[in-house]
Amino acid sequence: EAGVTQFPSHSVIEKGQTVTLRCDPISGHDNLYWYRRVMGKEIKFLLHFVKESKQDESGMPNNRFLAERTGGTYSTLKVQPAELEDSGVYFCASSQVGWGTQYFGPGTRLLVL
Amino acid sequence: QKEVEQNSGPLSVPEGAIASLNCTYSDRGSQSFFWYRQYSGKSPELIMSIYSNGDKEDGRFTAQLNKASQYVSLLIRDSQPSDSATYLCAVDGSSNTGKLIFGQGTTLQVKP
Repeated sequence: EAGVTQFPSHSVIEKGQTVTLRCDPISGHDNLYWYRRVMGKEIKFLLHFVKESKQDESGMPNNRFLAERTGGTYSTLKVQPAELEDSGVYFCASSQVGWGTQYFGPGTRLLVL
Repeated sequence: QKEVEQNSGPLSVPEGAIASLNCTYSDRGSQSFFWYRQYSGKSPELIMSIYSNGDKEDGRFTAQLNKASQYVSLLIRDSQPSDSATYLCAVDGSSNTGKLIFGQGTTLQVKP
């Protein structure tokens, strides 16, 4: 069974540009989560999808971040325009049930210059 | 006060010893508790989950939960150099919806 995959693995962009991160959850997992770890800080929750619906987006930093989950399958997280403080590692995780084990993807390392 | 607190370490133990990792949390209504292991540059990997007070053992790993004291710990017996990693404590708060709150992680070094 394939695990959670994320693309790209690394992204270096300039301030003001747009970046789109993609996450493919484990097949059959209705729950998809985005987390972020900035340098020196703990991993922080961004948002939670159940199928295609946003269940909880309380962790989204501001309206420069837009997450979508088309058809309840893969998800994208767009940052537009990117700022320096958006640099960090963005993790995606998925689970079968909302309170179940979350399996993490390898992360996307974003550097905004 | 942080919602989930861990000593960042590093915690250094000799090979074969018991490593003890601790975590405290602030939300008294929290129901689900997880320990993840993260090697440098890799994704967090679930080691243990625990939901009720007491001990839960899985191989060399034992998770301990004390809801009254709001702490959860992870014991690693017969530590191996391959156990060297950062251990993340994660708590699913009282909403129990899967919104994990992470501690900053404890770096464990197991010396041969």
